[in-house]
Amino acid sequence: GAVVSQHPSRVICKSGTSVKIECRSLDFQATTMFWYRQFPKQSLMLMATSNEGSKATYEQGVEKDKFLINHASLTLSTLTVTSAHPEDSSFYICSANLGAEQYFGPGTRLTVT
Amino acid sequence: QKEVEQNSGPLSVPEGAIASLNCTYSDRVSQSFFWYRQYSGKSPELIMSIYSNGDKEDGRFTAQLNKASQYVSLLIRDSQPSDSATYLCAVRYNFNKFYFGSGTKLNVKP
Repeated sequence: GAVVSQHPSRVICKSGTSVKIECRSLDFQATTMFWYRQFPKQSLMLMATSNEGSKATYEQGVEKDKFLINHASLTLSTLTVTSAHPEDSSFYICSANLGAEQYFGPGTRLTVT
Repeated sequence: QKEVEQNSGPLSVPEGAIASLNCTYSDRVSQSFFWYRQYSGKSPELIMSIYSNGDKEDGRFTAQLNKASQYVSLLIRDSQPSDSATYLCAVRYNFNKFYFGSGTKLNVKP
């Protein structure tokens, strides 16, 4: 069964607004979670590593002020896309490590109009 | 720079054949290797993990690891149209971080 959940699965928002995506580990604690973005027909791109109780680590080229990450508990990380623009439309996927393996949430499809 | 390389494909095989997917990686200290399957519009799903040299079998799937040559492969026996997807190779270099290949698209033709 699923070990990582995401909410919402799909969201449409207007340009300039902010959108929050939640990622939860189910029945296990995840001190570290990851946020990825995937554009159509392209590969996964790691955006940031979310660390419980401390600041997220962003990959090169990812704007930390635009993609706010909060990992407030051992089972929840949130990604907020601030002042969204149409070019932010993408498939956002979180993941968490359980033991040696990494499991992905079902993803959130964001469309910015 | 840690790299994971895969042929993007598409790899086309007839139903019932063996599909062979390959992946190479750049860093010799890598310890853990994974194969994920991603259907169009869905998130990746873990299908195999392998940690030591040799073969690991799970149903119709066999993962093969050769650390000396720095490659890992996935064999799918008796391929089915439902196996048509993009297969991602992943390598774990430290406790937390995974590096993913760009994926190989597999088409299994009925």
